[in-house]
Amino acid sequence: DTAVSQTPKYLVTQMGNDKSIKCEQNLGHDTMYWYKQDSKKFLKIMFSYNNKELIINETVPNRFSPKSPDKAHLNLHINSLELGDSAVYFCASSQDSRGGYTFGSGTRLTVV
Amino acid sequence: SQQGEEDPQALSIQEGENATMNCSYKTSINNLQWYRQNSGRGLVHLILIRSNEREKHSGRLRVTLDTSKKSSSLLITASRAADTASYFCATDGSDDYKLSFGAGTTVTVRA
Repeated sequence: DTAVSQTPKYLVTQMGNDKSIKCEQNLGHDTMYWYKQDSKKFLKIMFSYNNKELIINETVPNRFSPKSPDKAHLNLHINSLELGDSAVYFCASSQDSRGGYTFGSGTRLTVV
Repeated sequence: SQQGEEDPQALSIQEGENATMNCSYKTSINNLQWYRQNSGRGLVHLILIRSNEREKHSGRLRVTLDTSKKSSSLLITASRAADTASYFCATDGSDDYKLSFGAGTTVTVRA
């Protein structure tokens, strides 16, 4: 069983569209994250939720909106997609904010 | 800006050799972690070292931490082709609750 699963794995869409990426973890972890990895492999945190509550909200355009219906799920919705949003988006979870993270396999988003 | 910086950016070694990569960071930390990322895959947690620890081992991995120099090193001994990947250090800052990643070291192990 996959510990942190995200869907879809690949997403190709046109500029201006709205899209969502879903993430689910079956580890019983309390904290979940979204990271963005650019073409140079830099990983930057976007959001973090602890038990459904937003605890980290980095400087991210408000076109990005996370939603956590329960502590096992953290989805990412992106409005009005732009070319610069093209990247690999990783979901991750951890038991607490001080331990190791378990990452999903990533969603490669390409905006054309 | 990235908290950690890895050095070198890329490393190519022969199978069986050791690989060493370094990580420097800027602010005080609670712990430092190393991750591996195979091409096209997610990151895999390798090892966590707390700020009050100086060295840690896990299988063929050895991590050191020098908080006075704000630096860490990851040593992979007796490398194998399967060790080919990018390796990232990540710091868990004392003042925040997020893991900040460096730019990574790409390691290629030649058969």
